Amino acid sequence: KQEVTQIPAALSVPEGENLVLNCSFTDSAIYNLQWFRQDPGKGLTSLLLIQSSQREQTSGRLNASLDKSSGRSTLYIAASQPGDSATYLCAVIPNTGNQFYFGTGTSLTVIP
Amino acid sequence: SAVISQKPSRDICQRGTSLTIQCQVDSQVTMMFWYRQQPGQSLTLIATANQGSEATYESGFVIDKFPISRPNLTFSTLTVSNMSPEDSSIYLCSVNQGGTGELFFGEGSRLTVL
Repeated sequence: KQEVTQIPAALSVPEGENLVLNCSFTDSAIYNLQWFRQDPGKGLTSLLLIQSSQREQTSGRLNASLDKSSGRSTLYIAASQPGDSATYLCAVIPNTGNQFYFGTGTSLTVIP
Repeated sequence: SAVISQKPSRDICQRGTSLTIQCQVDSQVTMMFWYRQQPGQSLTLIATANQGSEATYESGFVIDKFPISRPNLTFSTLTVSNMSPEDSSIYLCSVNQGGTGELFFGEGSRLTVL
C-alpha cells in the first residue's frame, strides 16, 4: 500500500523567505502527484498537478518538482506572504485504481 | 476546473441522529468521492460513488453507517447515520476531471456531534 509522508509537520518562517516543503512516497508507480492547500476548517484547493511523465510544474510563486525514482516531490514557495499560511498536502494516485493517497500535511505559518 | 458546492458547510448534531450532506458539481462527472478528515488528521477515502450503481466502500466504512446516493451525474449525498462524537470530522466531496485526473474538492462539511 502506498504511504505518503510530509516533512516537516509544521514550519514557521518570516515573510519574504523562500521555502521548500517535502513529500515522499513509497511506491514509485504513480500516475499523478498533486499539491493542495487547506485553510482551517475548509476544503482543499488544488495548487499544482504533476503527471508522472513530468518533472515539474509552476504556477506564480509556486514550483513543484517530481522525482519518481527516489519517491520524492518538493513544493517551492518563493517570497512567502502571510496569506500563504495554511496546511499544504500532497497526494499521489497510483497507476492502478482511483484512490488518492494523502500525506499528513505541513502546517505553514508566515510571520509578518 | 470543477466547481463543487457542499451543504451544509457546518452543523452541530446530537448523538444518535443522522445528517445528510449534499454535493453538487457544475459539470457531469463519472465518479464522485467522499472523504473524511478527522481533527488533526489527513484525508481518508470513505467511498466512491458512481451514477447508476452501488457505491464502493473502503475498508472500515459500511453502507449502513454511511449510505450514499448518486441519482445523476452532477449530484451525490452522503448520510452519516446514528452519529457519535467519533463522527465529528470534516466530510469532503471530490471529483477528478479531464484527462489529467486532477482532483477537485468542495468546501467541506464540518460536523460536530455532541
